[in-house]
Amino acid sequence: EAQVTQNPRYLITVTGKKLTVTCSQNMNHEYMSWYRQDPGLGLRQIYYSMNVEVTDKGDVPEGYKVSRKEKRNFPLILESPSPNQTSLYFCASSLSWGSGSFYTQYFGPGTRLTVL
Amino acid sequence: GESVGLHLPTLSVQEGDNSIINCAYSNSASDYFIWYKQESGKGPQFIIDIRSNMDKRQGQRVTVLLNKTVKHLSLQIAATQPGDSAVYFCAETPPLGGYNKLIFGAGTRLAVHP
Repeated sequence: EAQVTQNPRYLITVTGKKLTVTCSQNMNHEYMSWYRQDPGLGLRQIYYSMNVEVTDKGDVPEGYKVSRKEKRNFPLILESPSPNQTSLYFCASSLSWGSGSFYTQYFGPGTRLTVL
Repeated sequence: GESVGLHLPTLSVQEGDNSIINCAYSNSASDYFIWYKQESGKGPQFIIDIRSNMDKRQGQRVTVLLNKTVKHLSLQIAATQPGDSAVYFCAETPPLGGYNKLIFGAGTRLAVHP
């Protein structure tokens, strides 16, 4: 089954304790992206990756890191989480994106993060 | 389920009626627009898209209209069903970053009553 998976689905942590949220897709998609969703603000893009070893900032990258060492995986890293990073996080992937070429973005089920 | 928006504008419709959800987008140079549906506890799901060189596109029971003059996007759902109850987001791809980004609106909650 074609899908985007995220782990963990729920996480409660404390300020300053490094964490990683994993994202994996099995569709051989080139483009992957992370979003956070907060009440009343819709989804905001954190980072995206056009392909392996190619990543770039979205609209709200502060406090986050990403890496794209393999095509299928795009982990989101919070080196020193703070309470304002409490949010619902979504990973998405697409066959391709940008420069006139847009394919459907498929979203994962979400990760609910609480930073105390 | 997950709460995606505590204070979203809400559109309430009767089952079988047509629904129209509106969205004002921000960048007049955006090239690609999408409507997503998000049910409680799930990630956004693609509904329909439209390129900037079009003003209307139809899918199954859904139609998207694009008015570039006033930077307005609308989603029309025909014969609305209870399963259509969800939060709907419009999204645009602005030229910033070579059209590689995706910017979402705040969302509208659609409530379908029997």
